[in-house]
Amino acid sequence: SSELTQDPAVSVALGQTVRITCQGDSLRSYYASWYQQKPGQAPVLVIYGKNNRPSGIPDRFSGSSSGNTASLTITGAQAEDEADYYCNSRDNSGNHLRVFGGGTKLTVL
Amino acid sequence: EVQLVESGGGLVQPGRSLRLSCAASGFTFDDYAMHWVRQAPGKGLEWVSSITWNSGSIGYADSVKGRFTISRDNAKNSLYLQMNSLRAEDTALYFCAKATANLGAFDIWGQGTMVTVSS
Repeated sequence: SSELTQDPAVSVALGQTVRITCQGDSLRSYYASWYQQKPGQAPVLVIYGKNNRPSGIPDRFSGSSSGNTASLTITGAQAEDEADYYCNSRDNSGNHLRVFGGGTKLTVL
Repeated sequence: EVQLVESGGGLVQPGRSLRLSCAASGFTFDDYAMHWVRQAPGKGLEWVSSITWNSGSIGYADSVKGRFTISRDNAKNSLYLQMNSLRAEDTALYFCAKATANLGAFDIWGQGTMVTVSS
């Protein structure tokens, strides 16, 4: 099965830009999707496909991909963006299989 | 309002079984694939299983293959997860999630149901 690797923790100053990355072989073939999870809450989809935001997600969230790396960028991070972020993609082993990255804890300073 | 509500969690002894349910509302349930995702206490998200709209294709994580069975009843707008031979490492909050029409993302999540496997 495939694996997706994320940095365990990232910090950003309030109002600055931060990039959270996700690496894995499956990302050469499939788009990543990104999820924000705050303590005690269910995950929320923030980016999917090439760079699509669901309704209600601020446009400071954007996604990109190159080779085996997908990135989630927050431009002008806000205090409310402090959360865990997870990437997900299809698994190379089969179309109906999925895999999550280990998650990145984002701290807004 | 689009909503997913899980139920069926609880405390169960190792080796026993449990069946989780997920009730969907606010969207055309049989148009979409559905997934189960779990999160052990203090840990990250782990994809568990998926099922296409017509149950024609199903997938499982290696960690649950052969023990868990996903199913759905489109007439009842419901998703299920039959969990057999439960182990301590299956202890987690179990979420059901709706898939997007394409691109394989999970756009709607329930609040989860907690499963604790302990003697």
